[in-house]
Amino acid sequence: DAGVTQSPTHLIKTRGQHVTLRCSPISGHKSVSWYQQVLGQGPQFIFQYYEKEERGRGNFPDRFSARQFPNYSSELNVNALLLGDSALYLCASSSTRQGGDTEAFFGQGTRLTVV
Amino acid sequence: AQRVTQPEKLLSVFKGAPVELKCNYSYSGSPELFWYVQYSRQRLQLLLRHISRESIKGFTADLNKGETSFHLKKPFAQEEDSAMYYCALVNAGGTSYGKLTFGQGTILTVHP
Repeated sequence: DAGVTQSPTHLIKTRGQHVTLRCSPISGHKSVSWYQQVLGQGPQFIFQYYEKEERGRGNFPDRFSARQFPNYSSELNVNALLLGDSALYLCASSSTRQGGDTEAFFGQGTRLTVV
Repeated sequence: AQRVTQPEKLLSVFKGAPVELKCNYSYSGSPELFWYVQYSRQRLQLLLRHISRESIKGFTADLNKGETSFHLKKPFAQEEDSAMYYCALVNAGGTSYGKLTFGQGTILTVHP
């Protein structure tokens, strides 16, 4: 198993554009979470999906949306990109909803640069 | 609101010296805490979780509810311990169930 895979690894977008980031969880994992990591800070929670439904949402504007597909892969969409959206976007998968006894496995991330 | 604070951005020690990475939290409820580590050019990975009271790679962390702390300790640091360390807390209820709240991270450098 390759672990959690994210695509693309890097991309550059212009302000106002839209972007879609993709994540494939570890086989058998039903939960996917998205995090934004700005340089010099820890990851910040954006969304959690479990069994194809949104189960948690962080403090991000409505320009951010996500979905989970029947095969448990997930997409993160960001509309009307701002310079401040430049960050590393991390996807994490776990076998169940994240809890105290559940390990989250992280992907390598997608580095988004907005110019 | 839940919060995790790691007061040291950088920590340097010599090989064989003890090391302690500090973590304080605020959370209204019974906290579930983790330490994650990111080695150079690798992905973020779980180091240990308080619920299992385990020792991984010689590291231990004790939850102190009175001081709201979850400091990471190792009695004898090794050069391969050099990495970025994140303390994290999981929200075990409410609309943000499953949300991991991370601290800002501490870069540990172990000198030979």
